[in-house]
Amino acid sequence: DTAVSQTPKYLVTQMGNDKSIKCEQNLGHDTMYWYKQDSKKFLKIMFSYNNKELIINETVPNRFSPKSPDKAHLNLHINSLELGDSAVYFCASSQDEEVLYGYTFGSGTRLTVV
Amino acid sequence: QQPVQSPQAVILREGEDAVINCSSSKALYSVHWYRQKHGEAPVFLMILLKGGEQKGHEKISASFNEKKQQSSLYLTASQLSYSGTYFCGTEGGSGTYKYIFGTGTRLKVLA
Repeated sequence: DTAVSQTPKYLVTQMGNDKSIKCEQNLGHDTMYWYKQDSKKFLKIMFSYNNKELIINETVPNRFSPKSPDKAHLNLHINSLELGDSAVYFCASSQDEEVLYGYTFGSGTRLTVV
Repeated sequence: QQPVQSPQAVILREGEDAVINCSSSKALYSVHWYRQKHGEAPVFLMILLKGGEQKGHEKISASFNEKKQQSSLYLTASQLSYSGTYFCGTEGGSGTYKYIFGTGTRLKVLA
């Protein structure tokens, strides 16, 4: 019974394409996130939503657009993909925005742009 | 500013101890610790909320020195299952509860 599930697990696509990654959590958490982990394993926050409201929006190119239709779902759409977008993207959730019980991460989506 | 972890990598034999440090250039209000096994998602280990706080989780414990702006993770009598990359996540009390992850420490435990 997966807590935070994201699809697809792997995504290989050509430069210039548009792609989406979907995320769902069944933990009843209020807050969801997108993190990017680069080839050096640095984990960097991209976006955070609390009850469908955007609360953290890091310096991320406009080509990245998150969307939260409800508090259990947070999707990431990427336009005009570039080589530098290749990374592992993790969706995560926390009970609330204070993160007192840590993040629960999804299994990640490995995006390769060729 | 990304917290700096040391060492960058460590190799241990089963049963040995290790200490991983996480240092920030900014004041810290809370610290998380995570372990990420190869090809998997990071898994939350513990949170430290107050300066001077120490916590334990099986044979893994941590301390938080607010004044020194650092936290340390202690792994005692390491097991093969402890192998992975350890990350600290720090929050500077900005009000956004935005945790910034450290540079990571790769730990490998050998039989």
